[in-house]
Amino acid sequence: AQSVAQPEDQVNVAEGNPLTVKCTYSVSGNPYLFWYVQYPNRGLQFLLKYITGDNLVKGSYGFEAEFNKSQTSFHLKKPSALVSDSALYFCAVRPRGGGSYIPTFGRGTSLIVHP
Amino acid sequence: DARVTQTPRHKVTEMGQEVTMRCQPILGHNTVFWYRQTMMQGLELLAYFRNRAPLDDSGMPKDRFSAEMPDATLATLKIQPSEPRDSAVYFCASGWAGTGAFDGSSGANVLTFGAGSRLTVL
Repeated sequence: AQSVAQPEDQVNVAEGNPLTVKCTYSVSGNPYLFWYVQYPNRGLQFLLKYITGDNLVKGSYGFEAEFNKSQTSFHLKKPSALVSDSALYFCAVRPRGGGSYIPTFGRGTSLIVHP
Repeated sequence: DARVTQTPRHKVTEMGQEVTMRCQPILGHNTVFWYRQTMMQGLELLAYFRNRAPLDDSGMPKDRFSAEMPDATLATLKIQPSEPRDSAVYFCASGWAGTGAFDGSSGANVLTFGAGSRLTVL
């Protein structure tokens, strides 16, 4: 069975500072990894994904994530946070092959960027 | 941009009433998901369709919930009878998943979510 852990319910950061939202996963075999963002009263929006290749993945709005196979982590990062980045962030994983296309989502991390 | 359309956006109903939520997935997508989001439980998978066939509804209370895809442009989630504990935001999402033993990048099945249906059962 696959699982995702987002160990922080909330992350607070000052505008202009770097931010990190943590994610670790458990899955059989090699994973597909995703980050989604949810703004208030909206559905989740895709930010970025890791499929294969470079461990550093770049996505929308200046976000990036680093795949670390040995630590089974896929932390989301941004060099300089904006107040408008305040939202709920979800990490998701699904295994390659096996015919299942169902992603498993973490519980989400609320990012609050202070002016 | 292509969108997943959900109706209604908001629904207030009384306990015992039937509730039907509708979703129009993105044209060409072959997977459709129904999720429920609450503060306590987070995001819960209720149902999963691939090529309109229901493949997983293990997260759905079978006695009162049902999910169908009568055609490729419509997915429905029905609750009968509704209960106050069903109050939540219900999301539909669609994606493209490749077939076969090997799926390349197109099989990653990136999901596009609708804006959600906020259900309140009194």
